Amino acid sequence: ETGVTQTPRHLVMGMTNKKSLKCEQHLGHNAMYWYKQSAKKPLELMFVYSLEERVENNSVPSRFSPECPNSSHLFLHLHTLQPEDSALYLCASSHSGLSQSEKLFFGSGTQLSVL
Amino acid sequence: SQQGEEDPQALSIQEGENATMNCSYKTSINNLQWYRQNSGRGLVHLILIRSNEREKHSGRLRVTLDTSKKSSSLLITASRAADTASYFCALRLNSGNTPLVFGKGTRLSVIA
Repeated sequence: ETGVTQTPRHLVMGMTNKKSLKCEQHLGHNAMYWYKQSAKKPLELMFVYSLEERVENNSVPSRFSPECPNSSHLFLHLHTLQPEDSALYLCASSHSGLSQSEKLFFGSGTQLSVL
Repeated sequence: SQQGEEDPQALSIQEGENATMNCSYKTSINNLQWYRQNSGRGLVHLILIRSNEREKHSGRLRVTLDTSKKSSSLLITASRAADTASYFCALRLNSGNTPLVFGKGTRLSVIA
């Protein structure tokens, strides 16, 4: 248990559905991240929030919409996804975000399948 | 590219043997971190080595860093079946406050 909880663990959705991924951290950290992990590709950073403000947005399609209502919770809202969006979505947190000595604490991920 | 490249992509060894994984990179770094991932799970931080350090140990793990060759190695001694996982190096670049950049990982299989 890393102190970062993601729900759901698995999600199957059609291309016209709207769903949300949830992440909660119990570590008192101030920064939260969304990563996408596809087979045979490096981990892709999608979004970073530090003190509830988005500080990194790596040209992610608008069909992915993050929300960080407070420093403990992070959401990823999904709509009109494509089959190539099927992947493991990982949430992570760190103490103070983008600091040089930071290490990340990851959740177990949501395995998303888009049909 | 700014990410590290792990080598080999996959490694299969017998229980009790040592496993060595390498990470090479092309840019200037502040530190390098190794993470482990069990299948279908999140990544777990193993060890961080700073650019002014050459070697660090943690239990059965030994990490080296050679900044002149821009490479790092992770050695797992006396491997166990439970060490079966993917191992990733992650770079903290020197260029300002940038997020960690991960490689594609090495898939380690330890056969009992």
